[in-house]
Amino acid sequence: AQTVTQSQPEMSVQEAETVTLSCTYDTSESDYYLFWYKQPPSRQMILVIRQEAYKQQNATENRFSVNFQKAAKSFSLKISDSQLGDAAMYFCAYRGGNFNKFYFGSGTKLNVKP
Amino acid sequence: DTGVSQNPRHKITKRGQNVTFRCDPISEHNRLYWYRQTLGQGPEFLTYFQNEAQLEKSRLLSDRFSAERPKGSFSTLEIQRTEQGDSAMYLCASSFPGLAGGPYNEQFFGPGTRLTVL
Repeated sequence: AQTVTQSQPEMSVQEAETVTLSCTYDTSESDYYLFWYKQPPSRQMILVIRQEAYKQQNATENRFSVNFQKAAKSFSLKISDSQLGDAAMYFCAYRGGNFNKFYFGSGTKLNVKP
Repeated sequence: DTGVSQNPRHKITKRGQNVTFRCDPISEHNRLYWYRQTLGQGPEFLTYFQNEAQLEKSRLLSDRFSAERPKGSFSTLEIQRTEQGDSAMYLCASSFPGLAGGPYNEQFFGPGTRLTVL
């Protein structure tokens, strides 16, 4: 079965600084997709960024970028110029190539200090 | 369309009672998923539907749990004879499978129903 591991339960970053959240996964599939979701306190989860495993180029969405290392099965999220609104739980998620269920990590709570 | 909606947002019940939650997906989405999230953990898959067909159920979904999507639109999740261990956030998500890549991979989540079993 696929597993997703987030080894950092909580992290803190100073406003305007850069922070990297780690994620590793285990799979035997060759076709899959990786996601980072953000869950603000008492609010619903929203997609931050996605990466298709067949693409070598790392995905970027404004201040958010990923470092996708397929051989190492690593998928980290970098947040540049951190803002107070970035404070939330961040979940790494894996989905196989069959459009079915997601496997989520246990999450990393990001605190942003003013 | 404002996204995936779930009702109720909060439910407090006594052990042994039955509860039912509702999820209304984004209208053009034909896939609907249920997840359970306990405090400090990521969501865990429970079941999913493609249109009205329930295609997969997790081992987490005991016999006390049943989900339906009768007309391929909204879905209900019922828990019978609730136990304290059922206390969790129940999340619903929907997606529109299309060509690989792009926005079709994303699952859109609702705000969840928080269940507390006393």
